Amino acid sequence: SFELTQPPSVSVSPGQTATITCSGDQLQYKYVCWYQQKPGQSPVMVIYEDTKRPSGIPERFSGSISGNGNTAFLTISGTQAVDEADYYCQAWDSNTEVFGPGTKVTVL
Amino acid sequence: QITLKESGPSLVKPTQTLTLTCTFSGFSLTTSGVGVGWIRQPPGKALEWVALIYWDDDRRYSPALKNRLSIIKDTSKNQVVLIMTNMDPLDTATYFCAHRLTEYRGYVRWGQGALVTVSS
Repeated sequence: SFELTQPPSVSVSPGQTATITCSGDQLQYKYVCWYQQKPGQSPVMVIYEDTKRPSGIPERFSGSISGNGNTAFLTISGTQAVDEADYYCQAWDSNTEVFGPGTKVTVL
Repeated sequence: QITLKESGPSLVKPTQTLTLTCTFSGFSLTTSGVGVGWIRQPPGKALEWVALIYWDDDRRYSPALKNRLSIIKDTSKNQVVLIMTNMDPLDTATYFCAHRLTEYRGYVRWGQGALVTVSS
């Protein structure tokens, strides 16, 4: 079955760039979404269709896909304390949806 | 403004059937490209996709759970109902319903979630 892999945690200093990876087979053909979830809150979509930002999401959030197409990236530029949260990638495969295991971003 | 709200029992016994209702506003489940999905999250753990129903009544289920699931829409009431049979303590989780758009290929708006505990 299709699976997505994410690192359990990423640490970043305020103002620096945080990069979160999401790996899966042939991810370039599956359109990846990214969600931010803060403690006790519902998830919020921050990236859709690999690279697009929904309305209201700050420009410091960006998405990309690797050259070999198996890894998606969520990049937070100029990371702020408010960006500390869990981040999940999600993709569609064989008529089902799959979420990654999540990455906890800590802003030190 | 799009809103979704989950409702249902907070406590069910093992082997019982769970019925959760998602009541939404701000969109119609008769509009092409619109769907409502259910996603759950056990305490302290990751999101897990459960089921999805589209405007055209197309239904999709998690392969791991499909034998226990039904998803139904009532467009006149703006509701989507999730039915899960034979509940187990491992099904203890917060259950979210969420608004899905085909053009986004993901969930644009989420409900607040409803915690369901399975215990005797």
